[in-house]
Amino acid sequence: EIVMTQSPATLSVSPGERATLSCRASQSVSSNLAWYQQKPGQAPRLLIYRTSNRATGLPPRFSGSGSGTEFTLTISSLQSEDFAVYYCQQYNNWPLTFGGGTKVEVK
Amino acid sequence: EEQLVESGGGLVQPGGSLRLSCAASGFTFSHYAMSWVRQAPGKGLEWVSAISDNGGTTHYADSVKGRFTISRDNSRNTLYLQMNSLRAEDTAIYYCAKDSIGYYFENWGQGTPVTVSS
Repeated sequence: EIVMTQSPATLSVSPGERATLSCRASQSVSSNLAWYQQKPGQAPRLLIYRTSNRATGLPPRFSGSGSGTEFTLTISSLQSEDFAVYYCQQYNNWPLTFGGGTKVEVK
Repeated sequence: EEQLVESGGGLVQPGGSLRLSCAASGFTFSHYAMSWVRQAPGKGLEWVSAISDNGGTTHYADSVKGRFTISRDNSRNTLYLQMNSLRAEDTAIYYCAKDSIGYYFENWGQGTPVTVSS
């Protein structure tokens, strides 16, 4: 099983600042990496697929990068609606696995 | 508009069974693989099971293999999860998700809660 490790567990950021979230895979997942956002009481929402492709309607302030085992989600200028928990997920191998999440909170 | 609506969750005793359903609309259900993903209270996301578009291929997490069965009825646009021999650690919100090419989840239902407790 591929283990996905996200860091940091919590990121405190002021509105308007940049947020950089990391996701590391225990072995290569090629570019088969997705990111999701989840707000309290809501279902997760797809943000990024295949490492760097934005989901339909996602603002360009969200961007993804990386390959192999190291991936990054960057939010260039945090808006109030961006404070949430973010998960990465690999879909290169079975079983599909998620990272433990990064909570982005208001500083 | 694409929609996924789960049902069938509830309170069940350890060792009991439950069948979850997910009604899909707004897209051609038979063209897409589907998955179940769960989230224990206060915890992260855990993929549970996936099924191919025609139902011919299934995959399971080790934690549920042999106890859960995923299936689908493309004539009814419905996904199912039969859960047997339930344990306390199966307590979670269960989401159904529409898989895109490559098994990432491009659309999610709102989830149905399952509580396993005596």
